[in-house]
Amino acid sequence: EAQVTQNPRYLITVTGKKLTVTCSQNMNHEYMSWYRQDPGLGLRQIYYSMNVEATDKGDVPEGYKVSRKEKRNFPLILESPSPNQTSLYFCASASATGRGSGANVLTFGAGSRLTVL
Amino acid sequence: SQKIEQNSEALNIQEGKTATLTCNYTNYSPAYLQWYRQDPGRGPVFLLLIRENEKEKRKERLKVTFDTTLKQSLFHITASQPADSATYLCALPFSGGYNKLIFGAGTRLAVHP
Repeated sequence: EAQVTQNPRYLITVTGKKLTVTCSQNMNHEYMSWYRQDPGLGLRQIYYSMNVEATDKGDVPEGYKVSRKEKRNFPLILESPSPNQTSLYFCASASATGRGSGANVLTFGAGSRLTVL
Repeated sequence: SQKIEQNSEALNIQEGKTATLTCNYTNYSPAYLQWYRQDPGRGPVFLLLIRENEKEKRKERLKVTFDTTLKQSLFHITASQPADSATYLCALPFSGGYNKLIFGAGTRLAVHP
């Protein structure tokens, strides 16, 4: 089954304790992205990656790091989590809808709910 | 800067009626627009994409329109069912770029039996 898998699904941690949220896709997609979702703010992009070893900042990258060493994996790293990073996180990967379309149809993971105390 | 607006108030309708959700955008002329469905605690799921040169797109009970003059998309669910209850998000590409989709905050739809 084509899917994006995130782990962990739920995590409670304390301020300053480094954590990594893993993301893996089995669709051979080149494009991957991380979003956070907060009430009333909708989905905001944290980082994205166009391909292996090619990552770039989204709208809210502060406090996060990513890496793309393999095409299928795109982990999100919080080096020193703070309470304002308490949120619901989604990883997504993209396939174009047609040749030359450039249209970015996203397949999302199930989400990772992170609480930082 | 570009902005997407969806009605933040929940839409409550009776089963069997047509639900209509609105997505407005400003300062922008997107090449396409997408609609996603999101159930509580789960990731959004892609429903439909409509391009700027298409006025209307249909998929089963779903219909999307795209008015580039009004800068508005309407999302219709005909013969609505309680299983259609969810939050619906519209999304547009950022400044014509492949790199980012900008999402609206979504409108919650509740279909009552």
